[in-house]
Amino acid sequence: DTAVSQTPKYLVTQMGNDKSIKCEQNLGHDTMYWYKQDSKKFLKIMFSYNNKELIINETVPNRFSPKSPDKAHLNLHINSLELGDSAVYFCASSQILAGGTGELFFGEGSRLTVL
Amino acid sequence: GENVEQHPSTLSVQEGDSAVIKCTYSDSASNYFPWYKQELGKRPQLIIDIRSNVGEKKDQRIAVTLNKTAKHFSLHITETQPEDSAVYFCAATFIQGAQKLVFGQGTRLTINP
Repeated sequence: DTAVSQTPKYLVTQMGNDKSIKCEQNLGHDTMYWYKQDSKKFLKIMFSYNNKELIINETVPNRFSPKSPDKAHLNLHINSLELGDSAVYFCASSQILAGGTGELFFGEGSRLTVL
Repeated sequence: GENVEQHPSTLSVQEGDSAVIKCTYSDSASNYFPWYKQELGKRPQLIIDIRSNVGEKKDQRIAVTLNKTAKHFSLHITETQPEDSAVYFCAATFIQGAQKLVFGQGTRLTINP
């Protein structure tokens, strides 16, 4: 069973279009994240949700809108796509432990290419 | 600010030799320091982690050391094998209202046969 799954794995689209990526985790974790990995492999946090509540928003443009219908799902919608949005987007989940952050479990990534 | 510096950006070693990757972090309140391995085209996966109440941790050929005073931690891989070739990321927790993991820039490790 896949612990963190995201779809689609690949998106190729034109500038100006809107696209969505979906993520689901079956680990029972209470916290989910979106990370962006650019062409230089930098992994940068974008958003974090804890029990459906937005807790981290890393000065991401308003064109990016996350939505968490329940604690097992975290989707990412991107409006008016730009060339610089091309990247691999990773969903992740973790259980926040009494001592602090727990292990992050990543999805397989969604490679977005904007033409 | 929140910063994790990782060096080197690329590292090439002969099979069987050791590899060391170093990271520094900016927030003295950081308390969790994981290391992730990302193979080509795959997702990052945790290989080892250490918490601030421990100075060293070992798991077979992999070890991590933490120096809280100097705010740096290192990954040591001994007896390297070709399957160790990957990009390695260090990370540290930062707390600003909520805890978050901030990653270093990554080290591309190549093991030469």
